[in-house]
Amino acid sequence: AQSVSQHNHHVILSEAASLELGCNYSYGGTVNLFWYVQYPGQHLQLLLKYFSGDPLVKGIKGFEAEFIKSKFSFNLRKPSVQWSDTAEYFCAVTLTDSWGKLQFGAGTQVVVTP
Amino acid sequence: EPEVTQTPSHQVTQMGQEVILRCVPISNHLYFYWYRQILGQKVEFLVSFYNNEISEKSEIFDDQFSVERPDGSNFTLKIRSTKLEDSAMYFCASSVRPQETQYFGPGTRLLVL
Repeated sequence: AQSVSQHNHHVILSEAASLELGCNYSYGGTVNLFWYVQYPGQHLQLLLKYFSGDPLVKGIKGFEAEFIKSKFSFNLRKPSVQWSDTAEYFCAVTLTDSWGKLQFGAGTQVVVTP
Repeated sequence: EPEVTQTPSHQVTQMGQEVILRCVPISNHLYFYWYRQILGQKVEFLVSFYNNEISEKSEIFDDQFSVERPDGSNFTLKIRSTKLEDSAMYFCASSVRPQETQYFGPGTRLLVL
């Protein structure tokens, strides 16, 4: 069955710490990959996406993600988090030959303490 | 920057009642979507819509659900006879093309009593 797995449900870390959130997917075809973020009280917004090309993609606010096809993974990283990075982070996948249906992971709640 | 908007932000209804959730997608977008998130669960795809037709729907999207683009700007989700398990946050999204970034609205929190 097609699925998207996020490894951590909750992460608590201090400002300036490095962040890595894991995402694995299980799909039979070619995929597009996304990380969305939801800040408290705000709507889902795109952090970054991978369609093709360089597997290391950079997004907004200093985030980056690496697509490793052999591992079916698309992990999100940020070298040094800020308090304002407190949010819920969602990995999402869509098949390239679909009508755009996004399949989401369960989300990871990240809390950055001052 | 253009945004997807949704109304109402909150809706409380009695079981068995009909509800209509409204969305205004970004104006030059052609592909529209509804998702929902039951409290504590994943965001789930409901339906995609293009050219006044449903292009894809999930198993959740049964006969109780319908979508419509009644005019050039609104995109609605109707639940004909709400059930307790329909209580969730409903998100609308739109995109220029099906594989491009989907832009999400703020959501409507539906509570069925």
